Formats: sequence, structure tokens, C-alpha cells
Amino acid sequence: DAGITQSPRHKVTETGTPVTLRCHQTENHRYMYWYRQDPGHGLRLIHYSYGVKDTDKGEVSDGYSVSRSKTEDFLLTLESATSSQTSVYFCATAVSGTGELFFGEGSRLTVL
Amino acid sequence: QQQVKQSPQSLIVQKGGISIINCAYENTAFDYFPWYQQFPGKGPALLIAIRPDVSEKKEGRFTISFNKSAKQFSLHIMDSQPGDSATYFCAASRGGGADGLTFGKGTHLIIQP
Repeated sequence: DAGITQSPRHKVTETGTPVTLRCHQTENHRYMYWYRQDPGHGLRLIHYSYGVKDTDKGEVSDGYSVSRSKTEDFLLTLESATSSQTSVYFCATAVSGTGELFFGEGSRLTVL
Repeated sequence: QQQVKQSPQSLIVQKGGISIINCAYENTAFDYFPWYQQFPGKGPALLIAIRPDVSEKKEGRFTISFNKSAKQFSLHIMDSQPGDSATYFCAASRGGGADGLTFGKGTHLIIQP
């Protein structure tokens, strides 16, 4: 258990509304990641962070933004949610240089 | 990030049998190849991993076989048990993995009693 807490765990929202998912870690890991998981697509990287205020885009970053103002918190924001963003979102952390990712339990988002 | 191709999509194995899941990659810069196990409602968890300087790694009933020239690697689960029923993901990364893992699409494994 890498001490990763995601909130909320479940959310239902309407198209066009903003949504923020939060990832909080207690392990002081430098690297943090947001993935989405969809049937038939596996896990796809949205954004990642390599330090406070240092972030970069992943494979499927369109429609998403992130922020990391503290080592322990990584926020994922959907500025205007669409039905295609209905998914399960996973936060992960990593210790520098190992390649091993530790995952949270996921946040299930439904956009109606 | 380049693709990691995983097969089969689903697999049914009898208890005590051998489960085999295969992955192939394209990017020769990849230097870390983990397998993750995921149970329903949970996040993926690292099962076993290999680096390309060895051709095989074994941990208990789980073995990774790695073929660098063919750019393929596979997971073997010996003496498969109903508790092994889960979704398995292969993945790959490069240069310490700072920019994350590239995952295969997953294999849904069912072990029948």
C-alpha cells in the first residue's frame, strides 16, 4: 500500500460541468500520474508530474488539465466534461528511477 | 509512447493448468517490462518485472520470459488457482520510467475450479 487516496471514488455529473479529481499520497514519491481505464483500451496515460509545478502531457491529454502545488497532491480537472470522459481514473505514484508504479483504488466518473 | 500489444484478450484455464499471456513491443528504447494484476474494483498492482539483461525471471508460480530479438515477453502462471482470476496487464517503460508506463490492453483470466 503506497498510501494513495483518490477522491471522490464515484461521481455522476452532467455534460458541460467542470470536474476535479484529487489524488493524495503520503509516501513523498516524486512522480505522480493520472491514467484512465476503459474496456478494450487498457490503461492510458493522461498527464504526469515529475515534481511540484512540473507536469507534462500523456497519450490522451485533450480535455484534461492537471496541477500539483504540493508534493502530496495531484489534481486532475475536466474543464467541461463530455460523455467520452466517462471512465475509471487511476492515480499512480513512483519512486525516482525504478519504473515501478503504485496505483490508487480509482475514481469512477460517469458523465450523462 | 508506442504501443504494447497484448494477447489474448481473455483466457480460461482449468485449475492446476498453465496460464500464458503474451506481449510484444515496438520501441527498442524500452528497458523495463512489468506485469500488473488487477482485481475488480481495485487498482493494478505490480506482480513481477524484468529488465532486458536477463531472459527469464521467476517468482513463485509466476515467470516472465523475455525475447529481446523478437521484442516479445510473456507471463506464465504455473499451477493456476481460482485466486489468480483477475485482469493482467503487461507494460513497458524507458529510462527509469519517469514518463510513465505504456500498458497493453489487458487479459481477463478466469481459472475454473
